[in-house]
Amino acid sequence: AQSVTQLGSHVSVSEGALVLLRCNYSSSVPPYLFWYVQYPNQGLQLLLKYTTGATLVKGINGFEAEFKKSETSFHLTKPSAHMSDAAEYFCAVTLNTGTASKLTFGTGTRLQVTL
Amino acid sequence: NAGVTQTPKFQVLKTGQSMTLQCAQDMNHNSMYWYRQDPGMGLRLIYYSASEGTTDKGEVPNGYNVSRLNKREFSLRLESAAPSQTSVYFCASRARGGGNQPQHFGDGTRLSIL
Repeated sequence: AQSVTQLGSHVSVSEGALVLLRCNYSSSVPPYLFWYVQYPNQGLQLLLKYTTGATLVKGINGFEAEFKKSETSFHLTKPSAHMSDAAEYFCAVTLNTGTASKLTFGTGTRLQVTL
Repeated sequence: NAGVTQTPKFQVLKTGQSMTLQCAQDMNHNSMYWYRQDPGMGLRLIYYSASEGTTDKGEVPNGYNVSRLNKREFSLRLESAAPSQTSVYFCASRARGGGNQPQHFGDGTRLSIL
């Protein structure tokens, strides 16, 4: 079985400050990990993914995430927040088994960016 | 390039009414999924179709049925709508391959049941 925990349902940062959104996973086999972003009244858009290889993954809009197996974590960071980053962010995990490769999502973190 | 298209975008139903949510993808993807999104609960999988001709239950299938009409289309049916089914519904698709292939999402259907 697989699961995802996102610490903090709401995070508020000032514009220009570091963004850190936390994600921890539980998986019995090596996982594939994803971060998605959802803007108001829209669907989910892929930010970045970790599959194999380099543990530091760069995504769109200046975001990156680091896979740490020893900590079972995949935290999302951005050095300098912009107002346009205000959205809800979802961490998700899937296993490399089966043809459907179902995703398990965390409960989401809403990011607020203030002036 | 439309990606994943869901119709309708909004719908209000009365308890007991039936409705079908439509989803179509133009990316030649093999797998398709239906999720519901509720505040504080993330996305929960209702049903999925690993490939054309197959469907399987997800985490919360009760009260729903699905049809994989062809490779492009995957519909979700509420036979007798209940207020607990008020939610935002998302359809997603994924290309053939292992779990490293990401899912692509539509913009959702916002469904209210009175």
